[in-house]
Amino acid sequence: QQQVKQSPQSLIVQKGGIPIINCAYENTAFDYFPWYQQFPGKGPALLIAIRPDVSEKKEGRFTISFNKSAKQFSLHIMDSQPGDSATYFCAASGSGGSYIPTFGRGTSLIVHP
Amino acid sequence: GAVVSQHPSWVICKSGTSVKIECRSLDFQATTMFWYRQFPKQSLMLMATSNEGSKATYEQGVEKDKFLINHASLTLSTLTVTSAHPEDSSFYICSAGGQGRHGEQYFGPGTRLTVT
Repeated sequence: QQQVKQSPQSLIVQKGGIPIINCAYENTAFDYFPWYQQFPGKGPALLIAIRPDVSEKKEGRFTISFNKSAKQFSLHIMDSQPGDSATYFCAASGSGGSYIPTFGRGTSLIVHP
Repeated sequence: GAVVSQHPSWVICKSGTSVKIECRSLDFQATTMFWYRQFPKQSLMLMATSNEGSKATYEQGVEKDKFLINHASLTLSTLTVTSAHPEDSSFYICSAGGQGRHGEQYFGPGTRLTVT
């Protein structure tokens, strides 16, 4: 059973566009929601994360929107650049005795020049 | 920021041999380290969780005798793939979470293992 559902699987935008990646979770014990960026042949890098006490967090061109009642969160990339082309993973973890994150299946983003 | 290193970054070995991969947290103490396996164009698959000074906890379906994990210190965990076979070829990634770092994990750069 997949506890974190991520969509879309792939996404293609033009430079300057605003790709949006969505994730939905089921476990209400989750209280930490990070996004990771992974380039081919590299390990994932923590991009931005949010906790459920806020509805939005922005860091540079990256914004997380969080909807606790709907159990959904999304990543928005403003003014996307070709260098943002990568695979993005959402994740969720909880403080209920374990911080082991559950990952989404990933979204392959391509930003055309 | 938190930096995690892995060594080697890539390794080629012959079938039947063993390979050791090191994971180090360079600027923080990691009470817990995680080992993942990733196939091309797929998500990360958690193999095991290791806590410093205790036995690793393996995920269902992961052979503990084949994938030996040792977490001897707060900055070092090792994964040894024993009697490697071609189907063990994959991208192995470790991550570290430190005490007080609630839910945060920092990933290493990964190790590409090819078994011939």
